[in-house]
Amino acid sequence: DIQLTQSPSSLSASVGDRVTITCQASHDISDYLNWYHQKPGAAPKLLIYDASNLQTGVPSRFSGSGSGTDFTFTISSLQPEDIGTYFCQQYDNFSFGPGTKVDIK
Amino acid sequence: QVQLQESGPRLVKPSRTLSLTCTVSGASISSDGYYWSWIRHLPGKGLEWIGYISNTGSTFYNPSLRSRITLSLDSSKNQFSLSLRSVTAADTAMYYCASLKGDMAPFDYWGQGTLVTVSS
Repeated sequence: DIQLTQSPSSLSASVGDRVTITCQASHDISDYLNWYHQKPGAAPKLLIYDASNLQTGVPSRFSGSGSGTDFTFTISSLQPEDIGTYFCQQYDNFSFGPGTKVDIK
Repeated sequence: QVQLQESGPRLVKPSRTLSLTCTVSGASISSDGYYWSWIRHLPGKGLEWIGYISNTGSTFYNPSLRSRITLSLDSSKNQFSLSLRSVTAADTAMYYCASLKGDMAPFDYWGQGTLVTVSS
């Protein structure tokens, strides 16, 4: 099984800050990596698919990059509505990373 | 836009079967290329994919749950369902249904989720 790890597990940043989250796969997964955002009390929402493609309707401050085993998710300018937990996910048994909790400093 | 809504009992006794239904609107569950999935969020743990069923009824289950799961479609009601047998407290979770456009595709639409507790 392919395992996903994320870092950091949590972070606190100011509005307007650039935020970066990394996701590492235990084996090469090409670009088959998605990113989701889950606000408290809500279902996860797809932000980025296949490593770098922005889902329709998602603000352009969100971006993703990487391939193989190392991936990066970036919020270029953190907004108050961006708080919550971010998960990466891949297609080997559709497993998810453990999540990164983001809040406002 | 596809909308999904989970329904079913919120409390299930240990050793019984957990049964949930997902009602789909904005798309036909029989449409080519659509897959329909269940995912759960275990308390204090992460998200776990349970399985999916294609528009033709083909299924693919998480190996860790395969022996206890059945997914099914009801095209007449535009619904799909999950049965999880022999539940224990470890199956207490928020259960989500979701859609994906292909067997290797992201989960693009999600239901709001339903919390199921396993307890006597």
